[in-house]
Amino acid sequence: DIQMTQSPSSLSASVGDRVTITCRASQSISRYLSWFQHKPGKAPKLLIYAASSLQSGVPSRFSGSGSGTDFTLTISGLQPEDFATYYCQQTYSSLLTFGGGTKVEIK
Amino acid sequence: EVHLAESGGGLVKPGGSLKLSCTASGFTFNSYTMNWVRQAPGRGLEWVSSISSGGDYIYYGDSVKGRFTISRDNAKNSVYLQMNSLRAEDTAVYYCARDMILDYWGQGALVTVSS
Repeated sequence: DIQMTQSPSSLSASVGDRVTITCRASQSISRYLSWFQHKPGKAPKLLIYAASSLQSGVPSRFSGSGSGTDFTLTISGLQPEDFATYYCQQTYSSLLTFGGGTKVEIK
Repeated sequence: EVHLAESGGGLVKPGGSLKLSCTASGFTFNSYTMNWVRQAPGRGLEWVSSISSGGDYIYYGDSVKGRFTISRDNAKNSVYLQMNSLRAEDTAVYYCARDMILDYWGQGALVTVSS
């Protein structure tokens, strides 16, 4: 199975900060990478697919980049509603796998 | 509007069985792969199983292989997860999600495995 490793596992940031989360795959996955936002008691929400394509309705402060094994999610100008846990996920293999998650907390 | 609704969660004893259902609306159900994803208490998201649009291709995560069975009824716009030989570590909120990119999710069904 393809292993997905996220870093950091948690971070503290202030409203307005630029936040970067990284995700590394155990083998090349081309651009078959998605990012999700998950808040307690809610369904996860797709933010980015195909490494850099913004899902409909997602604010443009969210962006994704990368290919092969290394990927990045950037939030440009953190908003109060962005405090949540973020997950990367590969869709290169039919055996889907998620990263361990990055919890973004208020500083 | 796309809508997914899980049902069938509950409390079950270790070794027991439970069947989850997910009913879809707002899209052409028989055109999409469907998935089950779970989140155990205090843990991250874990992909459980996928079934292709016509049911031809089925995949499972290692932790549930041989115990869980995914199926679908396109006439009823529904996907199912039959869970057998349940263990305490299967306790989780189970979500159904559409397509390989998991673009739409249900609100989840809580499954608790405890004696």
